[in-house]
Amino acid sequence: AQRVTQPEKLLSVFKGAPVELKCNYSYSGSPELFWYVQYSRQRLQLLLRHISRESIKGFTADLNKGETSFHLKKPFAQEEDSAMYYCALSQIISSGSARQLTFGSGTQLTVLP
Amino acid sequence: NAGVTQTPKFQVLKTGQSMTLQCAQDMNHEYMSWYRQDPGMGLRLIHYSVGAGITDQGEVPNGYNVSRSTTEDFPLRLLSAAPSQTSVYFCATNRAGGYGEQFFGPGTRLTVL
Repeated sequence: AQRVTQPEKLLSVFKGAPVELKCNYSYSGSPELFWYVQYSRQRLQLLLRHISRESIKGFTADLNKGETSFHLKKPFAQEEDSAMYYCALSQIISSGSARQLTFGSGTQLTVLP
Repeated sequence: NAGVTQTPKFQVLKTGQSMTLQCAQDMNHEYMSWYRQDPGMGLRLIHYSVGAGITDQGEVPNGYNVSRSTTEDFPLRLLSAAPSQTSVYFCATNRAGGYGEQFFGPGTRLTVL
């Protein structure tokens, strides 16, 4: 079955330190992976997707098919990065007519001053 | 453009009561979905719709009904509320087929006593 695992519920780092939020997935097809972020009292929003290979707010994520991972990284964390981060896998639904997202359980990142 | 809107923002129900959570979008997206967000469990798909007149079940559909009579609206009905349905509910939209970025509403926080 398709599954997204985020092993850390909580992660704290100091400002300026590197941060890595882990995401592992299981999927039999070709995965399409995303990171979504939810800042306090705001709605979920897309942070980045693997096929665009871009850096948003200093974050990057590389798809490693061998390790089935899509870890989110930032070299120098900022206090405004404090938020809940969700890894998500887009998979084709059973009828084949569309795709749907499966989310991980989320990691709450706190960047300390 | 308002994007994805949800009403109400907060609701308290007694066990056994019914209610409808409203979701509307002005993005002309075909695909709409409902999630519930629970601590430690991430977002779980309740129901989704690939277009007007078409709905299907997600991961946790029991106790919920949906309909999609227009492209813009996708209401979620709780038939007989239970304390286990206490959660935050998010509506989301995609372009046709559920491909790419999902756009989320602000959420409805529901408490069932």
